[in-house]
Amino acid sequence: DGGITQSPKYLFRKEGQNVTLSCEQNLNHDAMYWYRQDPGQGLRLIYYSQIVNDFQKGDIAEGYSVSREKKESFPLTVTSAQKNPTAFYLCASSIQGTFDTQYFGPGTRLTVL
Amino acid sequence: AQTVTQSQPEMSVQEAETVTLSCTYDTSESNYYLFWYKQPPSRQMILVIRQEAYKQQNATENRFSVNFQKAAKSFSLKISDSQLGDTAMYFCAFMKRYGGSQGNLIFGKGTKLSVKP
Repeated sequence: DGGITQSPKYLFRKEGQNVTLSCEQNLNHDAMYWYRQDPGQGLRLIYYSQIVNDFQKGDIAEGYSVSREKKESFPLTVTSAQKNPTAFYLCASSIQGTFDTQYFGPGTRLTVL
Repeated sequence: AQTVTQSQPEMSVQEAETVTLSCTYDTSESNYYLFWYKQPPSRQMILVIRQEAYKQQNATENRFSVNFQKAAKSFSLKISDSQLGDTAMYFCAFMKRYGGSQGNLIFGKGTKLSVKP
């Protein structure tokens, strides 16, 4: 089955620790995205990548970092510099970035204690 | 900057009836796309329908259809014959086609739809 997987589904970390969220897709999509969702809010873009070894900041990139070493993978690291990291994180991908529909993974709920 | 507004935080509808969810957006772009996504309790975002701004014809997908009014910058979603499985948060989203930040989705805050038996 083709799709987007995110792991883990729930993640707990202590304040001050970096944590990496996994996102993998086997859809052969070129573009991948990370979004953050807070209660009562829509999604906000953190980072996106149109091709391997290239990525751009979204609207709320501060305190986050990403890498895109493989087409299939786009991990997101939430660093200790992120002031309010507790949120629901969604990864998405699309065939190309410009005008293609984005398809989403199941999400990871991160709670920082 | 583009903004998307969903003015109905919550709505409810009886099973088998029709409901319309509202969305307005603000942009100076002429080439863009509009989407409705559904987020059920599982929290996975699921594409419902997509509209290209250059197309005058309203998009339809089975029981889901849109009323796209480009001049008014309005993009409403109509759900016909509502089913219990339609219960979810519905998000309207905008994506410009060209220029900086192309391909990035701008989301509204969502409308929580409850379908009652």
